[in-house]
Amino acid sequence: GENVEQHPSTLSVQEGDSAVIKCTYSDSASNYFPWYKQELGKGPQLIIDIRSNVGEKKDQRIAVTLNKTAKHFSLHITETQPEDSAVYFCAAPIIQGAQKLVFGQGTRLTINP
Amino acid sequence: SAVISQKPSRDICQRGTSLTIQCQVDSQVTMMFWYRQQPGQSLTLIATANQGSEATYESGFVIDKFPISRPNLTFSTLTVSNMSPEDSSIYLCSVGQGALNVLTFGAGSRLTVL
Repeated sequence: GENVEQHPSTLSVQEGDSAVIKCTYSDSASNYFPWYKQELGKGPQLIIDIRSNVGEKKDQRIAVTLNKTAKHFSLHITETQPEDSAVYFCAAPIIQGAQKLVFGQGTRLTINP
Repeated sequence: SAVISQKPSRDICQRGTSLTIQCQVDSQVTMMFWYRQQPGQSLTLIATANQGSEATYESGFVIDKFPISRPNLTFSTLTVSNMSPEDSSIYLCSVGQGALNVLTFGAGSRLTVL
């Protein structure tokens, strides 16, 4: 089955700077890679996802890149703001085409004012 | 996206007791999923709740410990049986939308077992 590794476990950046979180996956057949943001006391919320037929996707200050050859994908947050402080999780399907996901270990992102 | 309500939002339980968590969705969904998030950890899939059939459990989780009901397309329950302090976690209900693997999560139920 799929295995997802996420780095770093903690990340601290100055407000206005960029943050990058990276994940690697093991199953070359995986075709869907979502990113979730979890704020304190809340459930994870999908912020962006990418499918294997594209290499990059952007949504305002958030972007995700995918390198299928290297089997890794990254979350990029530009112009960080205090409200970006949260735990971020990457994920991939446990089985290709299934809705069941396996999650990375999480990254606690802190934006310093 | 679907709106998911979980009850209770949090509870403190005694060792050896059982607690049932409810998950209500505002639309009909085929599959519902239950995840566990241990303190400071990532999310681990417990089982898939299918309407009209038994739940499908992931490796390391068994029906006797985590019985699941799915009486209709908008509701599911997860019971944590014979609890021990190691069961202290956030339990999250999620639903998949369409064939695109998009998962929406409830706010979670935070259980503390003393």
